Amino acid sequence: GESVGLHLPTLSVQEGDNSIINCAYSNSASDYFIWYKQESGKGPQFIIDIRSNMDKRQGQRVTVLLNKTVKHLSLQIAATQPGDSAVYFCADPPNQGGKLIFGQGTELSVKP
Amino acid sequence: NAGVTQTPKFQVLKTGQSMTLQCAQDMNHEYMSWYRQDPGMGLRLIHYSVGAGITDQGEVPNGYNVSRSTTEDFPLRLLSAAPSQTSVYFCASSPTIRGTEAFFGQGTRLTVV
Repeated sequence: GESVGLHLPTLSVQEGDNSIINCAYSNSASDYFIWYKQESGKGPQFIIDIRSNMDKRQGQRVTVLLNKTVKHLSLQIAATQPGDSAVYFCADPPNQGGKLIFGQGTELSVKP
Repeated sequence: NAGVTQTPKFQVLKTGQSMTLQCAQDMNHEYMSWYRQDPGMGLRLIHYSVGAGITDQGEVPNGYNVSRSTTEDFPLRLLSAAPSQTSVYFCASSPTIRGTEAFFGQGTRLTVV
């Protein structure tokens, strides 16, 4: 079936390094992708989104790259800080609305 | 503007008891949803609603009921709690029916003994 999944469940980086969190999707008709961040003990928080007519979108210290050929997207965090430690989820909302389903998430740990 | 408010924050139930988890939003969002999150796992969609009077099942709907009589409120009911329903529950609302840019509540930690 169609799904959104992540390559790695955990990622550990040194403070100040760049982080890359990957996500694969299976639905070639997906036209919109979103990333959420969930800090410990809190609900998820929207970070950034990207539409399928774009290859790249930049936010504040975060960049989303979309490769439609291999159905892969990544979230890049520049100069990773301790406050970036969290679980990151990707999702592809269905066109007709309704089931917003998340992947399992990648837990990012930032070492001081 | 409080965003998404969930009550209670913590709850312990005995097997077979019933209860309702409350969720309210003050952003006039049409889309609302409930998720459960178990340790080491992602968010699993229980039920969702694209507007008042409209609800539908998500990935794991069994054992849960919902209703959407107003735009603001989306309660989740457990009719007969089971230990397998021990989890953290999150309610979310979104300005679009695709559930994009969703705002999540702080969660309800439910333990069924």
